[in-house]
Amino acid sequence: KQEVTQIPAALSVPEGENLVLNCSFTDSAIYNLQWFRQDPGKGLTSLLLIQSSQREQTSGRLNASLDKSSGRSTLYIAASQPGDSATYLCAVRLGDSNYQLIWGAGTKLIIKP
Amino acid sequence: EAQVTQNPRYLITVTGKKLTVTCSQNMNHEYMSWYRQDPGLGLRQIYYSMNVEVTDKGDVPEGYKVSRKEKRNFPLILESPSPNQTSLYFCASSLWVQGSGEQFFGPGTRLTVL
Repeated sequence: KQEVTQIPAALSVPEGENLVLNCSFTDSAIYNLQWFRQDPGKGLTSLLLIQSSQREQTSGRLNASLDKSSGRSTLYIAASQPGDSATYLCAVRLGDSNYQLIWGAGTKLIIKP
Repeated sequence: EAQVTQNPRYLITVTGKKLTVTCSQNMNHEYMSWYRQDPGLGLRQIYYSMNVEVTDKGDVPEGYKVSRKEKRNFPLILESPSPNQTSLYFCASSLWVQGSGEQFFGPGTRLTVL
């Protein structure tokens, strides 16, 4: 059964630092992996989607990588800002008949001014 | 503006009183789904729909119903709500390009069942 783990559960860093959030999954037979951001009491915003055939995707200060063989993905945030404070979730889409999304529990990120 | 909308955003109700949470998307997406989010348990899928009149159970379907009579709408129905259904609910949609579609989420509905 696919399991998705995000470590650490919480992270606090000073503004301006570069940081890496981790996502690991137990079964490499995934269709794609998606990173989301969730602000308190609000919905989820899609940040980056990496197809299983891709190694990385970039959007502005964000870069997500995917290593299927090792079951890992990282989300790199460059030059962090207080506005980046949120909970970051990763989800893998299975390649089975219903293409179910399996979610990590998230990393709560706090950027200190 | 491309979006997924949910109504209501907040709802407090009592045990046993039937309710419906509406979900609508304006992106012509085939795939729609409902999730609940609970502290410590993360997001869990309740039901999903691959297209009109096609729905299927997710991980936690007990106590919920859905329908997909139109492509844009996917309401979530609680026939007899119970306190354990107190949660934050999200509707999501995506294009169904062999599962590669990016998921878009609604703003969430916070439900409290007393």
